[in-house]
Amino acid sequence: AQRVTQPEKLLSVFKGAPVELKCNYSYSGSPELFWYVQYSRQRLQLLLRHISRESIKGFTADLNKGETSFHLKKPFAQEEDSAMYYCALSFRSYNTDKLIFGTGTRLQVFP
Amino acid sequence: GAVVSQHPSWVICKSGTSVKIECRSLDFQATTMFWYRQFPKQSLMLMATSNEGSKATYEQGVEKDKFLINHASLTLSTLTVTSAHPEDSSFYICSARKRISNTGELFFGEGSRLTVL
Repeated sequence: AQRVTQPEKLLSVFKGAPVELKCNYSYSGSPELFWYVQYSRQRLQLLLRHISRESIKGFTADLNKGETSFHLKKPFAQEEDSAMYYCALSFRSYNTDKLIFGTGTRLQVFP
Repeated sequence: GAVVSQHPSWVICKSGTSVKIECRSLDFQATTMFWYRQFPKQSLMLMATSNEGSKATYEQGVEKDKFLINHASLTLSTLTVTSAHPEDSSFYICSARKRISNTGELFFGEGSRLTVL
């Protein structure tokens, strides 16, 4: 069955420290992975997707099929990065592309 | 932009009544909309996939007769919680995928908080 696992509920760092939010997935097909972010009192929004291999707000994520991981990284955390981060897996089921989420990791960046 | 709006943002109802939540894509057409449920401090759980003009596809464990989903147009999907009970109290979030999308990105509504007394 398809599954997304985010082992850390909370990650606290100081400003300027490196950040890595872990994500592992379980899917027998070719995965399509995303990171979504939810800032305080805002709706969920896309941060980045593995296909584009882009860097958004200094964040990057590399798909490692061998380890079935898609960890989110940023070399120098900023206070404004404090938010809830969700790793998500898109897969096709019954002719529809679905998106399922991990349990989320709350990132707290202290000044 | 791509804006998805939900209404109402919050609703309180008595046990046994039915509640309808609307999800609209304001500036794009969405052939597919998704309904999620989020419990406090937990992740989003996919409830069902709503395709315009056809029946919704429900995830395992989600009662079809309890959570009625209608996707009558390319910009509107509704979720009706029938005969609501306190255990149905939750945060319901909808999302939509653009009719023409090469990214697979979903756009999310602001969510609707349901409290059943």
